[in-house]
Order: sequence, then structure tokens, then C-alpha cells
Amino acid sequence: EDQVTQSPEALRLQEGESSSLNCSYTVSGLRGLFWYRQDPGKGPEFLFTLYSAGEEKEKERLKATLTKKESFLHITAPKPEDSATYLCAAASGNTPLVFGKGTRLSVIA
Amino acid sequence: NAGVTQTPKFQVLKTGQSMTLQCAQDMNHNSMYWYRQDPGMGLRLIYYSASEGTTDKGEVPNGYNVSRLNKREFSLRLESAAPSQTSVYFCASSEQTTQPQHFGDGTRLSIL
Repeated sequence: EDQVTQSPEALRLQEGESSSLNCSYTVSGLRGLFWYRQDPGKGPEFLFTLYSAGEEKEKERLKATLTKKESFLHITAPKPEDSATYLCAAASGNTPLVFGKGTRLSVIA
Repeated sequence: NAGVTQTPKFQVLKTGQSMTLQCAQDMNHNSMYWYRQDPGMGLRLIYYSASEGTTDKGEVPNGYNVSRLNKREFSLRLESAAPSQTSVYFCASSEQTTQPQHFGDGTRLSIL
């Protein structure tokens, strides 16, 4: 059974304190690994797609990387506006994406 | 640029009442989805439609029905609402099932 596990469940950082969020996946034949940001009261907002091990994508203070078993979302010098829940999802076969439960990030000024 | 539009945004029902949640997308996507999101449970897929004319069950289909009305619209119906169906419901769409999904802002449903 395809599975996506995110850790930690919650992370509290001081402004400027860099860190990483983890997404471990067990799927048969990965066709894409996706990262989303979700703000309270809103739907998830698509950030990145990664297709193969070694691939990296960047957007402002966020960088996503992919290995054969996991993906990391690195947050460099975060600001309070980066506070949100970050979700990852994996695609395999022709079935819908499998989502992790998310990491709730709080950045304190 | 609307993307995915869900109506209504909020709704309160009594146990046993029926309700249809509406979803429309303007991105010409083939695939559409309905999820529910509960604290600590993450997003759980209720039903999806890989293409116009097809629908399939997801992880938690019991108590729900769906209709893919046309390529743009995908509705979710609760025939006899139960308190366990109190949740936030999200509709999403994508070009294909393995492509990134784009989400609406949700319907917050309370069943008393």
C-alpha cells in the first residue's frame, strides 16, 4: 500500500533559524512528489513538483529536494509569514495522489 | 482567474438532512476530487473522477455520492447527514490523476 509520512508533526522556529521538514514515501513507481502550503481557512496551495532523485526546486526561502526514499523541504532564514502547514504528496501508477498528514510550522519573530 | 470554486463556504445541517456541495473549475482539467480534512487525520479522499463520465471511490466513500456533471463541475451529495460528517470539504482538480492538484478554499460543514 502506498504511504507518505511527514515529520515532525509540528515545528516551532525562531525567525532566521533554518530547518528542514521530512517527507518519507513508500510507493510503487514514483511518478512525482509534490509539496503544498496550507494557510488556516484556505485550501492547499501547490509549491513544487519533483520527478527524480537528485532533483531540486527553489522558491524564495524554500528548497525542495528528492532522494529515492524521501523528500526534504529546507527553509532558510524563515520569516513569520512562512508559518503554515506544509503537505507533501506522492503520485504512482494512475491513481490519485497520496497525501501525508502535514507539518505545522510556526515561525516566531 | 477563479481556479476551483466551491459553494457554499459554510453550512450547518441537522442530522438526517441532505445537502449537495458544488465545485467548478475553469482550468480545463480532466480530473476532479473531493476530500475531507479533519484535525489530526490529514486529507482523506472521498471520491474522484479521473475523466468526464467516470467516478471512483476513494478512502472514505460511505455516506456520500458524487456526480460529474460535465468537464467543469463535480458535486458531492450527503443523502442523510450524520454528525460524523462534520468536517471541512475540499474540491480539487488536475490535468491528470498523477499531476499536481489545485484546490478550492473549502466548505465548512457542521452537522448537529
